[in-house]
Amino acid sequence: QVQLVQSGAEVKKPGSSVKVSCRASGGTFNNFAVSWLRQAPGQGLEWVGRIIPSFGILNHAQSLQGRITFTADTSTSTVYMELSSLRSEDTAVYYCARVRAYDSGGYSTFDPWGQGTLVTVSS
Amino acid sequence: DIQMTQSPSSLSASVGDRVTITCRANQSISNYLNWYQQKPGKAPNLLIYAASSLKSGVPSRFSGSGSGTDFTLTISSLQPEDFATYYCQQSYRIPRVTFGPGTTVDIK
Repeated sequence: QVQLVQSGAEVKKPGSSVKVSCRASGGTFNNFAVSWLRQAPGQGLEWVGRIIPSFGILNHAQSLQGRITFTADTSTSTVYMELSSLRSEDTAVYYCARVRAYDSGGYSTFDPWGQGTLVTVSS
Repeated sequence: DIQMTQSPSSLSASVGDRVTITCRANQSISNYLNWYQQKPGKAPNLLIYAASSLKSGVPSRFSGSGSGTDFTLTISSLQPEDFATYYCQQSYRIPRVTFGPGTTVDIK
C-alpha cells in the first residue's frame, strides 16, 4: 500500500521560496496524478495543483499563477512543489495526495494523503 | 469554480446519536461528491466517494446519499472516534476540485 511521506516544516521570510517534497513509500507514482492541497490555520481545504509525473501534465490553481512549480523525480518516486514570492497568507499546512480513481476512472478522489508540511511565512 | 456549502458548520452530539451533515453545490455535479474525515493535526481521510459508495474499510455506520446539488453524510450511531471535522468535495470539475467549509462534530 502506497504511503506518502512529506518533508519537514519550514519557516520562511516574505518574498522567499519554499520547496516541499512528497515521496511515495511502498510504491510509485506510475500513471497516477499527485495533487497538492493546502489548509491555512483553522481553515478549510484548498486545491493548489497537480502533476502527473508519467505524462508531464501540470495544473495549478489560478490564484497561484506564476508563483507555483511542480516537478517530479520518477527515479525516487518523489514529487516537489515550489512556491515563490511567499506572503503571510501562504502560511498553511501543505498536503500531497494521490489522485485515486474509482469505478473505471470515473470517480476521482484523494487517497492517500501525506502527513502534511507546515509552511510558516513570517518576518 | 463550483462552490460548495455545508450545514451545520458545527454540531454537538453524544455517543450513539444519529448525525446528518448536509452539503450543497451551486450547480449540478451529478454524484461526483466525496466525503472526508479530518482529526486535529492529521490529514483528511476518504470516507465516501461517488456520493454513496463507502471506501473499503470504512465502518458501515457511515453512509452518503444525494445527487445533483444536494448531498448528505449520515453517521447512524456516533462513536467516540467519530468526533472530527467532515468535508465534502466535488470531483465533477477535475482537476480544479473544491471543498465545502467543513462541519465539526464535537462531544455534547
